[in-house]
Amino acid sequence: EDKVVQSPLSLVVHEGDTVTLNCSYEVTNFRSLLWYKQEKKAPTFLFMLTSSGIEKKSGRLSSILDKKELFSILNITATQTGDSAVYLCAVETGNQFYFGTGTSLTVIP
Amino acid sequence: NAGVTQTPKFQVLKTGQSMTLQCAQDMNHEYMSWYRQDPGMGLRLIHYSVGAGITDQGEVPNGYNVSRSTTEDFPLRLLSAAPSQTSVYFCASSHRSIPYGYTFGSGTRLTVV
Repeated sequence: EDKVVQSPLSLVVHEGDTVTLNCSYEVTNFRSLLWYKQEKKAPTFLFMLTSSGIEKKSGRLSSILDKKELFSILNITATQTGDSAVYLCAVETGNQFYFGTGTSLTVIP
Repeated sequence: NAGVTQTPKFQVLKTGQSMTLQCAQDMNHEYMSWYRQDPGMGLRLIHYSVGAGITDQGEVPNGYNVSRSTTEDFPLRLLSAAPSQTSVYFCASSHRSIPYGYTFGSGTRLTVV
């Protein structure tokens, strides 16, 4: 059975801290791994990863994929209150996307 | 460019009623899908379509029907609503060949009483 597991389930940090969110997966026919940010509305796209070891970066956010060990991490440096959200990991396999349950991040001023 | 448009945003149904959640996209995306999001369960795929006239079941298809008569529209039908279908529903679309991931609609919050 294909599955995507995210950890931790929730995280509370202070502004300025660095956080690492984890996503592990067990799927057949892996095509890509995606990260989304969800505030109190629809998820918004952050990154798509298809190759191992190549870091994707956008401002204070970065992500990397390890296809051998079947996981990805999302790093957020110098966190801000606007980073508070649920971060979703999804894995694309063939014609389906499997989502993890998400990591809820709260950044305290 | 409107992106993915979902209607309605909120709906309350009585058990046994039927309804259709509408989803339309104007980006010429081949791939469209419906998800439900429940607390602690993440997003679960209900049905998806890889093009007009082609649909397939996802992880949790029971109690739902879909059709894809045009590239733009992908309605989700609840045949006989049950309280277990209380959830937030998202429609999403993407190009199959351009790796930008999904574009999500704004969601429909459905309550079945």
